[in-house]
Amino acid sequence: AQTVTQSQPEMSVQEAETVTLSCTYDTSESDYYLFWYKQPPSRQMILVIRQEAYKQQNATENRFSVNFQKAAKSFSLKISDSQLGDAAMYFCAYRSFTGANSKLTFGKGITLSVRP
Amino acid sequence: DTEVTQTPKHLVMGMTNKKSLKCEQHMGHRAMYWYKQKAKKPPELMFVYSYEKLSINESVPSRFSPECPNSSLLNLHLHALQPEDSALYLCASTRTAGGREPQHFGDGTRLSIL
Repeated sequence: AQTVTQSQPEMSVQEAETVTLSCTYDTSESDYYLFWYKQPPSRQMILVIRQEAYKQQNATENRFSVNFQKAAKSFSLKISDSQLGDAAMYFCAYRSFTGANSKLTFGKGITLSVRP
Repeated sequence: DTEVTQTPKHLVMGMTNKKSLKCEQHMGHRAMYWYKQKAKKPPELMFVYSYEKLSINESVPSRFSPECPNSSLLNLHLHALQPEDSALYLCASTRTAGGREPQHFGDGTRLSIL
């Protein structure tokens, strides 16, 4: 079974600075998908960024980028130029490449606060 | 604005009541999901529907009864709930049940059991 580990429960960053959120996972599969979701107090889970394991290039979405290290099974999220609106809970998630009903496995999440 | 619409946003009910949660999407997605989420915890998968058929039931108690009347609508019928069932209930959808597409989530229903 796959597991996703987010070992830091909380982090804080100064507005306009850069922060990196850590995520590791364990799997025996070679192909899979990795996601970062953001959940602000408004409750909705919002997709931040996704990475396909068979792609070596790290995904980037505006101020958000990942450092995907497949051999180390590491998938960290870097937020550049942090904004007050980035304050939220962030979940790292894993999904199998194959299988008709592949489940989304979440990490425990990390609460990010942004200091003005 | 979310493309997955959940109603109601808040629900307070007694342990003997019967109520239903509703989830609707018009993106043509054929897989829909129910999750339960406690505060500061990740969502826990409850049910998966694929092409209007129940494909995963994560050993959820029978007091939760899902229903998928058509490809756009997903209901969760509630009966005789317990206080520990108080949580945020999230609905999500994807184009298909497997593969690369991320799940699109609704805003959730905040359920409180008295």
